[in-house]
Amino acid sequence: SQKIEQNSEALNIQEGKTATLTCNYTNYSPAYLQWYRQDPGRGPVFLLLIRENEKEKRKERLKVTFDTTLKQSLFHITASQPADSATYLCALDIENQGGKLIFGQGTELSVKP
Amino acid sequence: GAVVSQHPSRVICKSGTSVKIECRSLDFQATTMFWYRQFPKKSLMLMATSNEGSKATYEQGVEKDKFLINHASLTLSTLTVTSAHPEDSSFYICSARDRVGGKLFFGSGTQLSVL
Repeated sequence: SQKIEQNSEALNIQEGKTATLTCNYTNYSPAYLQWYRQDPGRGPVFLLLIRENEKEKRKERLKVTFDTTLKQSLFHITASQPADSATYLCALDIENQGGKLIFGQGTELSVKP
Repeated sequence: GAVVSQHPSRVICKSGTSVKIECRSLDFQATTMFWYRQFPKKSLMLMATSNEGSKATYEQGVEKDKFLINHASLTLSTLTVTSAHPEDSSFYICSARDRVGGKLFFGSGTQLSVL
């Protein structure tokens, strides 16, 4: 069956450390994988998109990797800050048309000062 | 940057009534909009894909007569929850795809509570 799973429901880290979130999927062959941030009671906000032919992408303190052999994406936040505390969602574009997304269940990140 | 406006942000209604949620793309044209539903601490579940000028495509298990979608223009899609029941209480989120750039933008969500 098709599944998309994020490694843990909650992750607690100390300010300044690197947060690493994992997204695994089975029985999909996405051309794109996206990461979103969601704050309580709000809609998701787009962070990064990585294509199947890209191994890594960076944006400021964020880094995403995409391993289509392992069917896994890693999302890193370096020098984490309490303001980074939120739920992070990975999403697959399963129709490769840039619109219809299937989301993981999210990882709630808490960065303690 | 591109903005998707979703209204209302919160609605409380009585069981049996209908509720309409609006999703507008403010500074771009959206040929396709998507409606999601989210339960607390759960993932977003795609309900339907709304295409401007045509009928919506519903995901398996979503009742089209229960969740009416209208996408009458390139900037507006509406979701009407008809004859709402307490089990329809949820967080509903829309997203819109910019037909020029192809990027996806999300509304801020609507928390529906049916008493």
